[in-house]
Amino acid sequence: DTAVSQTPKYLVTQMGNDKSIKCEQNLGHDTMYWYKQDSKKFLKIMFSYNNKELIINETVPNRFSPKSPDKAHLNLHINSLELGDSAVYFCASSLWTSGSYEQYFGPGTRLTVT
Amino acid sequence: GENVEQHPSTLSVQEGDSAVIKCTYSDSASNYFPWYKQELGKRPQLIIDIRSNVGEKKDQRIAVTLNKTAKHFSLHITETQPEDSAVYFCAASNNAGNMLTFGGGTRLMVKP
Repeated sequence: DTAVSQTPKYLVTQMGNDKSIKCEQNLGHDTMYWYKQDSKKFLKIMFSYNNKELIINETVPNRFSPKSPDKAHLNLHINSLELGDSAVYFCASSLWTSGSYEQYFGPGTRLTVT
Repeated sequence: GENVEQHPSTLSVQEGDSAVIKCTYSDSASNYFPWYKQELGKRPQLIIDIRSNVGEKKDQRIAVTLNKTAKHFSLHITETQPEDSAVYFCAASNNAGNMLTFGGGTRLMVKP
């Protein structure tokens, strides 16, 4: 009965590779997000999707491309990985129409680029 | 865009003491202010939030106060316990909680 799940939990890869992280939520939420948490624990939003439509795209290199096949899924594809992409990536979701603004986070994916 | 500053970056207290974490924000249009707790290696989880039409909110040992004029808000934890040890993040949003800008985090250590 996991609410927000991400795969994989750990991802170790070399510079220049392309990788994807998957996120799924079973809460019936209509909005999903991707956050990056760097080594200093700073949390920064990358993307936000509402009903499969991109609504927030912060200053993120275009090597990062989110894809939302349906409201329950938001995947993150990263091309040409760089050392600075090493971080923990969190997916989150919320129900924008509910009046409760709480965002539920997934367990995170620790990406290490060598 | 919004900028949220959080202080202190680390806070060490004795079990049973109170802890206070403060945040300031820059965008006067911000109207939603949540606090998230992140234990080591875990996901951030909402512990309390406040909206701009309220000055204070309390939930058992946790309270949050908001001063819209000064654009700052604070988290108060009373009777701290070792399990309160974690990193706490404040955040602000002017878009129904959709676009959250987080502060830099406060590592709270509660010594038994």
